[in-house]
Amino acid sequence: KAGVTQTPRYLIKTRGQQVTLSCSPISGHRSVSWYQQTPGQGLQFLFEYFSETQRNKGNFPGRFSGRQFSNSRSEMNVSTLELGDSALYLCASSLETDNSPLHFGNGTRLTVT
Amino acid sequence: ILNVEQSPQSLHVQEGDSTNFTCSFPSSNFYALHWYRWETAKSPEALFVMTLNGDEKKKGRISATLNTKEGYSYLYIKGSQPEDSATYLCASNTGNQFYFGTGTSLTVIP
Repeated sequence: KAGVTQTPRYLIKTRGQQVTLSCSPISGHRSVSWYQQTPGQGLQFLFEYFSETQRNKGNFPGRFSGRQFSNSRSEMNVSTLELGDSALYLCASSLETDNSPLHFGNGTRLTVT
Repeated sequence: ILNVEQSPQSLHVQEGDSTNFTCSFPSSNFYALHWYRWETAKSPEALFVMTLNGDEKKKGRISATLNTKEGYSYLYIKGSQPEDSATYLCASNTGNQFYFGTGTSLTVIP
């Protein structure tokens, strides 16, 4: 079974630009969640999608948005990039978000200059 | 915002030593406690999902316990091996979202 795939692996953008990251979950997983990791911080929850609906949202500004398609693939968009958005962005899929473990992708490393 | 804390932040042990780390979390709004192992250049991998007070889970030389009343979980590694070197993350699931600790970085010295 293929794992969670995130593209691209690395991205360099300039302040003010926007970026779209992609996540393909494990086949059969309908829940996809996104996390941001910056140095010294734990994984910070961005949002979670289930069956194309955003179920939960973390404490991030509206510049961070996402969506999920009918095949469960998800995209995350960050508009008007700031230097502080430089981070590793991980997505994770699961069967449900109750007792099912999260299956993580390898992440996208975003650098904003 | 829920505060999940892990200690110690980092740990160096000799091969063959046993070790343990702590994860503390608010006992209110508790739904499940997850442990993940994150090796360098790889993605986090699930170790355990624990829900019941007093739960104990084991996978090979690694085991974990859970106390939901006082809000802590311990992860134990028996006879550490160099391949156990990784960052160990815990996360509290409130049913709405996951709150991760900053992890314990374990280095096992051969």
